[in-house]
Amino acid sequence: EVQLVESGGGLVQPGGSLRVSCAASGFTFSSHWMAWVRQPPGKGLEWVANIKQDGSVKYYLDSVKGRFTISRDNAENSMYLQINSLRAEDTSVYYCTREEWASDSGSYYIVWGQGTLVTVSS
Amino acid sequence: DIQMTQSPSSLSASVGDSVTITCRASQSMGNFLNWYQQKPGKAPKLLISAASSLQSGVPSRFSGTGSGTDFTLTISSLQPEDFATYYCQQTYSTPPYTFGQGTKLEIK
Repeated sequence: EVQLVESGGGLVQPGGSLRVSCAASGFTFSSHWMAWVRQPPGKGLEWVANIKQDGSVKYYLDSVKGRFTISRDNAENSMYLQINSLRAEDTSVYYCTREEWASDSGSYYIVWGQGTLVTVSS
Repeated sequence: DIQMTQSPSSLSASVGDSVTITCRASQSMGNFLNWYQQKPGKAPKLLISAASSLQSGVPSRFSGTGSGTDFTLTISSLQPEDFATYYCQQTYSTPPYTFGQGTKLEIK
């Protein structure tokens, strides 16, 4: 069964740091771009970052550049999001998702994790 | 970055009705447009990719059209399980792959 499981969320004080993780199973992890999408409570989806199969290419949402770092460990079938200098507006459910791509359709996301909640509050 | 403007932000309809949700891009983006459905407490579910390509297992009452800057998602003959929030997402060129603001479809 193809599965993504996030972990590492929790309550963090403003200015703090946190690393959220995504464990993949049931597919060849190293063959796929992967991405993080977040959703503040009661609000819409926001694409955050993605990473190429070998980790050599990464893209970020402008508002998180310099504070968020996406990475992966193909030997461990895992992806990570290091979040530094946390702000209240970073409070969200963070979803891990597998990126599919086709030349005639671009990228799209079929497989998602259940999400992990990061709450930034003092 | 491409901005996506989705409308309406909310919509009330009855079982059996047909509804249309619109997504407009800030620049031309071919057909690189996806539609997702999300129910409370759940991850999004991909309905349509490439503006009009229905995903396997998605009922045929869902359909998507459009290219360039204007896209629509139509749900015909609404079923009780269709009441959810819908998002468009552009994946044209390089990221960020922005989502629309969402449309909450409620039962009238």
